[in-house]
Amino acid sequence: DAGVIQSPRHEVTEMGQEVTLRCKPISGHNSLFWYRQTMMRGLELLIYFNNNVPIDDSGMPEDRFSAKMPNASFSTLKIQPSEPRDSAVYFCASSFWDGYNEQFFGPGTRLTVL
Amino acid sequence: AQSVTQLGSHVSVSEGALVLLRCNYSSSVPPYLFWYVQYPNQGLQLLLKYTSAATLVKGINGFEAEFKKSETSFHLTKPSAHMSDAAEYFCAVSERGGYQKVTFGIGTKLQVIP
Repeated sequence: DAGVIQSPRHEVTEMGQEVTLRCKPISGHNSLFWYRQTMMRGLELLIYFNNNVPIDDSGMPEDRFSAKMPNASFSTLKIQPSEPRDSAVYFCASSFWDGYNEQFFGPGTRLTVL
Repeated sequence: AQSVTQLGSHVSVSEGALVLLRCNYSSSVPPYLFWYVQYPNQGLQLLLKYTSAATLVKGINGFEAEFKKSETSFHLTKPSAHMSDAAEYFCAVSERGGYQKVTFGIGTKLQVIP
């Protein structure tokens, strides 16, 4: 199994640009989670999907952030326009809902907004 | 609402010494509890999980944790630290009953001194 795949692994962009982060969950998993990790705030849940439907987006910081899951094998997190304070490592995780919530994390995308 | 508190953002131990990382949880219903480990520049990976089958849970790499309901604790231990154990460790809680959100602690960075 390839595990959760994220792309790109590193992204450097300038303030005001649009950024799109991509995630391919583990085949067969029915839940997908987007997290943001920073030194100051630790690991924050941004949004999660169950069977491709967004369930809880209360962690999305503001309207500049949006996430989609058009099918079971792909999800995107978009930031438009990006700001320097968005610099962080963004993780995607997936799980199979069997009552235990064990999540499998991708390697993360390190985003730097200049 | 569920939450976890990890005592000590940084812990240092000598190689061969006991590792003890503390975690206390708060949950309105019986919880599922997890310990994840994050090595530098990697995503989180599951060390072990408590799902009520047994209060003493054994995980990978020689780690174990004990669920103590009376103390609302789920501390992580390893009898003898190895240099390769240097990483950041996250305690996490999830409530039973169909809600998939997992709440992570702030993390504890473990330093192993030769």
